[in-house]
Amino acid sequence: NTKITQSPRYLILGRANKSLECEQHLGHNAMYWYKQSAEKPPELMFLYNLKQLIRNETVPSRFIPECPDSSKLLLHISAVDPEDSAVYFCASSQDSEYSGNTLYFGEGSRLIVV
Amino acid sequence: GMPVEQNPPALSLYEGADSGLRCNFSTTMKSVQWFQQNHRGRLITLFYLAQGTKENGRLKSTFNSKERYSTLHIKDAQLEDSGTYFCAAEVNTNTGKLTFGDGTVLTVKP
Repeated sequence: NTKITQSPRYLILGRANKSLECEQHLGHNAMYWYKQSAEKPPELMFLYNLKQLIRNETVPSRFIPECPDSSKLLLHISAVDPEDSAVYFCASSQDSEYSGNTLYFGEGSRLIVV
Repeated sequence: GMPVEQNPPALSLYEGADSGLRCNFSTTMKSVQWFQQNHRGRLITLFYLAQGTKENGRLKSTFNSKERYSTLHIKDAQLEDSGTYFCAAEVNTNTGKLTFGDGTVLTVKP
């Protein structure tokens, strides 16, 4: 699946600020950020539908999402903590309010906090 | 208990074997999806089911909302089937939130 692209793929941070980017070419209305820590399933962080923030799970305030248009999603990270080391997946689906809402994932961005 | 219980946690098969994975739900789920996470960490969408059974090649999945379970059956296992399989279910109507199981780590041996 090359229709959901994420950048960067790998990110090594001290306490710097950085942003993850995602773009989908599927014409979907819903976009998601998931966090996957080692040996665990993905956990939902944020969900946007038609550029509106629909779900904001319990996420530290140092993670700030942005949805400049319905095909793009950003995740701004500041003052990272070692517990933030994980793979961050962008995902999209047709529309979070539709039935048959199949989820598709991007390749992931691996964040390593040093 | 956990809303989504997935078993077995790990499974080892020889090439050509058949086997099944299962998810049990603590409550009635609206839909279920199955994903494979391969050795490169990619999450590949396998199935979306609101009810009934779907097949795709050597894979078949069933979802019984009333009985609160879903299964994924793999036929004629191949080496490339190795990876972690997750089921994920949607509890309420159109919330966009999936609850994932802890996954089944499948190893296919030659």
